[in-house]
Amino acid sequence: DIQMTQSPSLLSASVGDRVTINCKASQNINKYLNWYQQKLGEAPKLLIYNTNNLQTGIPSRFSGSGSGTDYTLTISSLQPEDFGTYFCFQHNSWPLTFGSGTKLEIK
Amino acid sequence: EVQLQQSGAELVKPGASVKLSCKTSGYTFSNYYMSWLKQMPGQNIEWIGNIYGGNGGTGYNQKFKGKATLTVDKSSSTAYMDLSSLTSEDSAVYFCARPGLGTGWFAYWGQGTLVTVSS
Repeated sequence: DIQMTQSPSLLSASVGDRVTINCKASQNINKYLNWYQQKLGEAPKLLIYNTNNLQTGIPSRFSGSGSGTDYTLTISSLQPEDFGTYFCFQHNSWPLTFGSGTKLEIK
Repeated sequence: EVQLQQSGAELVKPGASVKLSCKTSGYTFSNYYMSWLKQMPGQNIEWIGNIYGGNGGTGYNQKFKGKATLTVDKSSSTAYMDLSSLTSEDSAVYFCARPGLGTGWFAYWGQGTLVTVSS
């Protein structure tokens, strides 16, 4: 199984900050990497698919990059509504696997 | 509008089984896969498996073979997941999720069903 390691696990940042969350796969996942945001008590929401494609309706302050085994989610200017837990997800090979999550807190 | 409406919370005894449902609307059910996922409290998300709405063809995470059984009822555009021989390790929120058009996996989600296994 492909292991997805996210860092950091906890992130505290201020409104307006540039924030980056990292995800490292245990093997090459060929850019088949999605990012999801989850708020407490809700289902995850798709933000970015296939490394760098913004899902419809997601603000342009979210962006993704990466290749091979290393991927990054960037929020260019953090907004109060961006709090929550962020998960990366690989769909290069079965079983499909998620990272363990990054909890983003707003200072 | 694509909607996935999951059944309500379940409290079940150890050793029992439970059947969860995911009723869909707003799209042609038989044209898409439906996936099921598990999230234990404060934990990572695990993919359980997929089922194709058209022919009921399935693919499972090896970890959940023998635990979860996925089925569909095309007439009601509903996907189901049976969980058997429940233990405390099966206590979790279970989500159904559907791909988007061109966006791949898990673009649309149900609201989740909490399953609590307790005597």
